[in-house]
Amino acid sequence: GAVVSQHPSRVICKSGTSVKIECRSLDFQATTMFWYRQFPKQSLMLMATSNEGSKATYEQGVEKDKFLINHASLTLSTLTVTSAHPEDSSFYICSARKGTSGDTGELFFGEGSRLTVL
Amino acid sequence: GQNIDQPTEMTATEGAIVQINCTYQTSGFNGLFWYQQHAGEAPTFLSYNVLDGLEEKGRFSSFLSRSKGYSYLLLKELQMKDSASYLCAVMDSNYQLIWGAGTKLIIKP
Repeated sequence: GAVVSQHPSRVICKSGTSVKIECRSLDFQATTMFWYRQFPKQSLMLMATSNEGSKATYEQGVEKDKFLINHASLTLSTLTVTSAHPEDSSFYICSARKGTSGDTGELFFGEGSRLTVL
Repeated sequence: GQNIDQPTEMTATEGAIVQINCTYQTSGFNGLFWYQQHAGEAPTFLSYNVLDGLEEKGRFSSFLSRSKGYSYLLLKELQMKDSASYLCAVMDSNYQLIWGAGTKLIIKP
């Protein structure tokens, strides 16, 4: 199976600082990666779609200047939460799609990163 | 609009069978996925249906009826470790996943 690694798994930071979360596809090339946010007992909320070599597509209501996404290579996408506030505390999950949109579209998920902003 | 409906919570007994239903209304259809998510962890893939019928994979089976906009996940011989949330997701015409809110399954001894 395909492996997606997300780092760090847990991070605690002070309000006003920036935090970077990495998402790597370890054994396949991912032209598209997705970033989700999940609040307790709620489903995944898609934040943005990240395509290698181009700007991310953000979902409505997601601040692109606050949640910076970079997809510089076919195996790495990063999410940077800038000027973090306590309300940004959440579980952030990335996923990667193998191949193009013509395949089954199965997503492979990273382990998730729990962000706590003090 | 696009909508995925599944029950919020279900309870079942260890060793029994449980069926989790999912109904959907989406802009186009390119497959339906079921994922399992344990608390505090990322989802893991269970099944994918794009044609009508039943797909069996060990203790888990998934059924799809495209004409009815309906799917179910069937779990047999329930084990305590099956306690988790089960997420139904549909891929629309743009190959984007539309997620249901998830069904929390509680297994009792």
